[in-house]
Amino acid sequence: ELKVEQNPLFLSMQEGKNYTIYCNYSTTSDRLYWYRQDPGKSLESLFVLLSNGAVKQEGRLMASLDTKARLSTLHITAAVHDLSATYFCAVGSNYQLIWGAGTKLIIKP
Amino acid sequence: NAGVTQTPKFRILKIGQSMTLQCTQDMNHNYMYWYRQDPGMGLKLIYYSVGAGITDKGEVPNGYNVSRSTTEDFPLRLELAAPSQTSVYFCASSSERGTEAFFGQGTRLTVV
Repeated sequence: ELKVEQNPLFLSMQEGKNYTIYCNYSTTSDRLYWYRQDPGKSLESLFVLLSNGAVKQEGRLMASLDTKARLSTLHITAAVHDLSATYFCAVGSNYQLIWGAGTKLIIKP
Repeated sequence: NAGVTQTPKFRILKIGQSMTLQCTQDMNHNYMYWYRQDPGMGLKLIYYSVGAGITDKGEVPNGYNVSRSTTEDFPLRLELAAPSQTSVYFCASSSERGTEAFFGQGTRLTVV
C-alpha cells in the first residue's frame, strides 16, 4: 500500500528566508504532483514531476524528484507573505493519487 | 473558462437524508474523481472514472455512489447521510493518466 508522508506539517517562517518541504513515499511511482491550497479554497496545481531527477521552477518555488530515494522536495527561496498556504504532494498509484497530509506554511512579514 | 464546476457550494443535511453533489467539466477530460477532505487532512479518493460508463471505487467509497453517463458529468450520491460524512468534497478531472488534475471549488457538507 502506497503511503505518502510530508514534513513538516506546519511551518512558520519569516519573509526572506529559505526553506524546504519534504515528501516521502513508500513504493515505486512514476509521477508526483505538488498542489497549493489557500484557506477555504480549492487546490491549484503547481508542479508535475514525471521522471527521476526532474526539477521544475516557478518563481520562488522549485520542486525536485528523486525516484530512487522516493523523495520529492519543494524549496522556497526568499519567502514572501503571498506564499502562505497549505502545500500538498500527491503520488500516482495506478489511476489514483495518494495524498500527503499537507504542509501549512505561514510566512510572517 | 468554466473548468470543473461543482454544485452546491454549501449544504446542511440531516442524518438519514440523501443528496447528490453535481460535477461538470467542459475540458473533455476522460478522467474524473471525487475526493473528500477532512479538516487539516489530505484528500481521500471516494470514486473515480476513466470514461463515460466506467467507474471504480477509491479508498473510501462506503456510503457513496457515482455514475458517469456522459464525459462531462460525474455526480456523487450520498445515501442515508451520517455525521461521518461531514467534510469538504472536491471533484476533479484530468485529460489522461499522469497529467495534472483540475479541481472544482468544493462542496462543504455538514450532516447534523
